[in-house]
Amino acid sequence: EAQVTQNPRYLITVTGKKLTVTCSQNMNHEYMSWYRQDPGLGLRQIYYSMNVEVTDKGDVPEGYKVSRKEKRNFPLILESPSPNQTSLYFCASSGDSAIAKNIQYFGAGTRLSVL
Amino acid sequence: DQQVKQNSPSLSVQEGRISILNCDYTNSMFDYFLWYKKYPAEGPTFLISISSIKDKNEDGRFTVFLNKSAKHLSLHIVPSQPGDSAVYFCAASRDDKIIFGKGTRLHILP
Repeated sequence: EAQVTQNPRYLITVTGKKLTVTCSQNMNHEYMSWYRQDPGLGLRQIYYSMNVEVTDKGDVPEGYKVSRKEKRNFPLILESPSPNQTSLYFCASSGDSAIAKNIQYFGAGTRLSVL
Repeated sequence: DQQVKQNSPSLSVQEGRISILNCDYTNSMFDYFLWYKKYPAEGPTFLISISSIKDKNEDGRFTVFLNKSAKHLSLHIVPSQPGDSAVYFCAASRDDKIIFGKGTRLHILP
């Protein structure tokens, strides 16, 4: 079954404690992306990656890091989480043609609370 | 500055009637426009898209209309069904970036 898998689904942590949210896709997609969803703000892109070792900032990259060492994985790293990073996070992937890039497959989400 | 705007946070429609969700954008360089649907506790799923060179795209009960001069697009759902109750995100893309609106929560009333 084609899917994007995020782990963990729920996470409560404390300010300053480094954490990683993993994302894996089994569709051999080139394009992967991270979003956060906040009430009243919709989905905002954090980082995206066009292929292995190619990453770029989205609209709200501050406080986040990503890596793309393998095509299937795109982890999101919070080196020193702060309460304003409490949010619902989604990973997504898609093909890289002009049309396919727009049809993103999303994971089920990771709800993060930073105390 | 919000480049993709969905000005209605919520919309209620009677089952069987037409649902019309609206979206405005500011950047005339966008080349694709999309609608995604999201149920609670799930990730968004792609619904329908339209290229900037077209003005209408239809897929079953879902039709998207694009008015480039007004920088406006709309999603029509006919007839509306209970399973259509969800949050709908409008999005626009150019090059490698997709920008989403804030979403409209659609309630289908029995």
